[in-house]
This record gives sequence, structure tokens and C-alpha cells, in this order.
Amino acid sequence: AQSVTQPDIHITVSEGASLELRCNYSYGATPYLFWYVQSPGQGLQLLLKYFSGDTLVQGIKGFEAEFKRSQSSFNLRKPSVHWSDAAEYFCAVGTGANNLFFGTGTRLTVIP
Amino acid sequence: NAGVTQTPKFQVLKTGQSMTLQCAQDMNHEYMSWYRQDPGMGLRLIHYSVGAGITDQGEVPNGYNVSRSTTEDFPLRLLSAAPSQTSVYFCASSYPGPFGSYEQYFGPGTRLTVT
Repeated sequence: AQSVTQPDIHITVSEGASLELRCNYSYGATPYLFWYVQSPGQGLQLLLKYFSGDTLVQGIKGFEAEFKRSQSSFNLRKPSVHWSDAAEYFCAVGTGANNLFFGTGTRLTVIP
Repeated sequence: NAGVTQTPKFQVLKTGQSMTLQCAQDMNHEYMSWYRQDPGMGLRLIHYSVGAGITDQGEVPNGYNVSRSTTEDFPLRLLSAAPSQTSVYFCASSYPGPFGSYEQYFGPGTRLTVT
């Protein structure tokens, strides 16, 4: 069975600092991996996705993620955080029929 | 394109009442799904459909019913609402792309409270 672990429930960073959000997955086959962002009271927006090929994936809003098969990880990074990045971030693994299995999320707070 | 639309945005029900959450998409996507989001639990799949006339259960299907008579619409029915169904419900649609890729497009959500 698949599982996604986001070990950090809440992270606080200063504006301009770098960011790394952790995601570990368990899935029997080659994983399809996603990162979504959700602002308060809003729906989910796709930041980036990995299906195959280059293990370093670029996304929107300056985010990137690296797929490491040996570590079963797909960590999200951003070199310099902006106040508008404050939101909740979800890692997900793709399952059959184009569905997603989500982690429990990491809430990001950005302090000025 | 409107994308994925959901109605209503907010709903309050009493225990035992029934209702239907509406979901529609105008992107001609074959795949549609319903998720619920609860604090500290992420999103969990309720039901999904791989095309008109075909539905299947996800991780948490109990208490919910779905049908897919058209490509565009995928309503979610609560037959007898319970307080445990208080949640935010998201509908999503997706299409199969090259090399098995796909991307899910999410609606804005319906916030449901059952008292």
C-alpha cells in the first residue's frame, strides 16, 4: 500500500531564507510524485510533478524538488522565501486511475 | 474555460439529512474524483470515475454515493449526513497524458458542516 510522510507539521522561516520541505513516500511501483500548495480557504494548486527523466524538477513560483529513489524522498525547495509563500504544502503520490494519495501537509509560516 | 466548478461553497446540514454536492468540469476530462480534507489528515479519496458510467470506491467511501452519467458532471451524494462527514470536499478532474503522466485539476471546494 502507498503512504506519504511529511514529517514537519509546521515550519517557520524568515523572509528571504531558504526553504526545504520534506516528503518521503512508500509505493510499490515507480512513483508519480506531486507537490501542491493550498492558501487558506482556497483549493489546491499544483507546484510541480515528477513522472520520469530528470530527477530535479522545476515548478512554478521558483520552487523545485528532487526525486531520490534511494531515499524514497521528494523534497521541495526554494532558495529565497517570500511572504506570499505562506500556505500549506502537500506532497502526493499518484496511484491508479489518475488518483492521488496525499501526505498530511506542512504549514509554512513566513516571518518578516 | 471555467475548469472545475463546485456548488455549493458552504452548506450546513442536520444529522440525517441528505444532499448532493455538485461538481462539473468543462475540460472534457475522463477522470474525476472526490476527496475530503480534514485537519491533520490531508486529502483522502472518497470515490472516483474513469469515464461516464464507471465509478469506483476510494479510501473512505462509506456514507457517500456517486454516479457519472455524463463526462462533465460527477455529483457526490450524502444519503444520511452524520457529524463525522463535517469536512471540506474537493472535486478534481484529470486526463491521461504521455508516458502515463497526468495532472489533477481541483475545484474550489465545498465546506460542509453537519450538526
